[in-house]
Amino acid sequence: DGGITQSPKYLFRKEGQNVTLSCEQNLNHDAMYWYRQDPGQGLRLIYYSQIVNDFQKGDIAEGYSVSREKKESFPLTVTSAQKNPTAFYLCASSEQGLPQHFGDGTRLSIL
Amino acid sequence: GENVEQHPSTLSVQEGDSAVIKCTYSDSASNYFPWYKQELGKRPQLIIDIRSNVGEKKDQRIAVTLNKTAKHFSLHITETQPEDSAVYFCAATELGGADGLTFGKGTHLIIQP
Repeated sequence: DGGITQSPKYLFRKEGQNVTLSCEQNLNHDAMYWYRQDPGQGLRLIYYSQIVNDFQKGDIAEGYSVSREKKESFPLTVTSAQKNPTAFYLCASSEQGLPQHFGDGTRLSIL
Repeated sequence: GENVEQHPSTLSVQEGDSAVIKCTYSDSASNYFPWYKQELGKRPQLIIDIRSNVGEKKDQRIAVTLNKTAKHFSLHITETQPEDSAVYFCAATELGGADGLTFGKGTHLIIQP
């Protein structure tokens, strides 16, 4: 879906390192979401934000942090506290009452 | 919170036959049920959705049915084609609620030539 850009496409993390995944949208959507996808686990919600300067923990927020300083941006930081960070990370956005649309994802691996 | 169960985890059908994927949900407040198709290494793409005020919705070869009383909804694909091969996810949420979508674990649909 055009309008949601995730970067980088591939990311490698060293032990003890924090890494930040970028998500930008030009759809003027209020709500933005971060999901983690593991094989056989479907998509699990990490954090979501319904409005600028506000965000809520999802089902698996431990070891992650987010910020929402601008409407179009919702970066996700994978901290060193996340012991099993290898996964496919998907960002999504939506307007109230409308479907979520996803970015192309970032694949994070451990060196 | 919401819990979504999806079955089967893998479904293999002959090209031209129909495929049915079923999901159940737990939260009676959920009123929006989208289905996503994900090809290998790509983003999930919305293929059809249904709201709780209708029982069925069709879009060409794809249909979704909803039974609110039993809290289950199903995806039906008719006249399957090789390009239908993918992983399909169901999801549920309450529109306007505080949470995002809750997804099922996915069904790997394989179309046999």
